Amino acid sequence: GAGVSQSPRYKVAKRGQDVALRCDPISGHVSLFWYQQALGQGPEFLTYFQNEAQLDKSGLPSDRFFAERPEGSVSTLKIQRTQQEDSAVYLCASSLGTRGNEQFFGPGTRLTVL
Amino acid sequence: GNSVTQMEGPVTLSEEAFLTINCTYTATGYPSLFWYVQYPGEGLQLLLKATKADDKGSNKGFEATYRKETTSFHLEKGSVQVSDSAVYFCALTPTGANSKLTFGKGITLSVRP
Repeated sequence: GAGVSQSPRYKVAKRGQDVALRCDPISGHVSLFWYQQALGQGPEFLTYFQNEAQLDKSGLPSDRFFAERPEGSVSTLKIQRTQQEDSAVYLCASSLGTRGNEQFFGPGTRLTVL
Repeated sequence: GNSVTQMEGPVTLSEEAFLTINCTYTATGYPSLFWYVQYPGEGLQLLLKATKADDKGSNKGFEATYRKETTSFHLEKGSVQVSDSAVYFCALTPTGANSKLTFGKGITLSVRP
């Protein structure tokens, strides 16, 4: 079966532009996570959805970052007025249940802000 | 808060050498511990995990034992192969319902033929 997919795989934005990153989780997976991975670092948690409910957004670095999962499947991470420090790989992961299940990661979207 | 500390890299080994990658953690309660691997050009994938003290996770010849007394989860392999060249991340999830992962910085392993 298909794994987690993300699009676009690469995005170049000029400073100040808005971007939208898409995540298609594995069908039937209840939990969905977004992580940000800066160059040479490990991924850092951004936000968590259980179905359509955003239960934890404690990792979002500013109010320019917004995520949604309106129908409990596909999710979009939106970054408004991008800054150079937003340049990173954005990873999406999904898991079947809500407690301790393996998270399956997508290939990531590499965002470069010029 | 929760944190994971990995040894500094990169690590370069010859094929069939013994591998140890150190990982220590800080967390309250009884977190679950993981090793994730990222092969060149591929996404992160789970290598092994342990969910309680003294558990040993194993996969593909790799092993790691959950040591609560030393808050460690060191990754070992007796004989590495060129195909093991990748970036390795140690991670934890806290006790409780939210399974968000906290990762270490990762370490790059290169295995020479």
